[in-house]
Amino acid sequence: AQSVAQPEDQVNVAEGNPLTVKCTYSVSGNPYLFWYVQYPNRGLQFLLKYITGDNLVKGSYGFEAEFNKSQTSFHLKKPSALVSDSALYFCAVIGDSNYQLIWGAGTKLIIKP
Amino acid sequence: SQTIHQWPATLVQPVGSPLSLECTVEGTSNPNLYWYRQAAGRGLQLLFYSVGIGQISSEVPQNLSASRPQDRQFILSSKKLLLSDSGFYLCAWRDPYEQYFGPGTRLTVT
Repeated sequence: AQSVAQPEDQVNVAEGNPLTVKCTYSVSGNPYLFWYVQYPNRGLQFLLKYITGDNLVKGSYGFEAEFNKSQTSFHLKKPSALVSDSALYFCAVIGDSNYQLIWGAGTKLIIKP
Repeated sequence: SQTIHQWPATLVQPVGSPLSLECTVEGTSNPNLYWYRQAAGRGLQLLFYSVGIGQISSEVPQNLSASRPQDRQFILSSKKLLLSDSGFYLCAWRDPYEQYFGPGTRLTVT
């Protein structure tokens, strides 16, 4: 079965420190992977995607993600966290030929000043 | 550029009342459209998707329905709301692989 796992319900990071939000996936075929961010009472915002090419993908707001095929992972990273990065982060993968997204459960990121 | 609208932003409805949520997309034609529900600020549940006018696919059996009367309009409805219908409803369109979301509608059923 195709799935996405975000193993951490919550991640706490001090402002200025690097952050990582983890995502692993299971799909048949080549994965199309995505990260989204959601601020309270707002819709989801697209951050970045991996379709093909360079394993390190850069996105909005200084975020980047690394595709690792052998570990079936697509972790979201940022070198220096800001308090304003505090939000809910979702990983997703395209699961079938209909291009439906399979979503992770979300990880709450808290950046402490 | 493309824009997606949802209204109303918030809604409080009694159990048993009808529901109509509207989503419209600007700046694109024949988009694939999606309705999601998010409970308790967490995971997304896909409710319906549409690849064109009058074409609706339901992902979850429930008392909700969807319609697409125009190319860029997607409507979520219910004849009788249940308490369990409370949540944050999100509309999205796809281009070409990623989805872009509207601002959402917060529905509280009392």
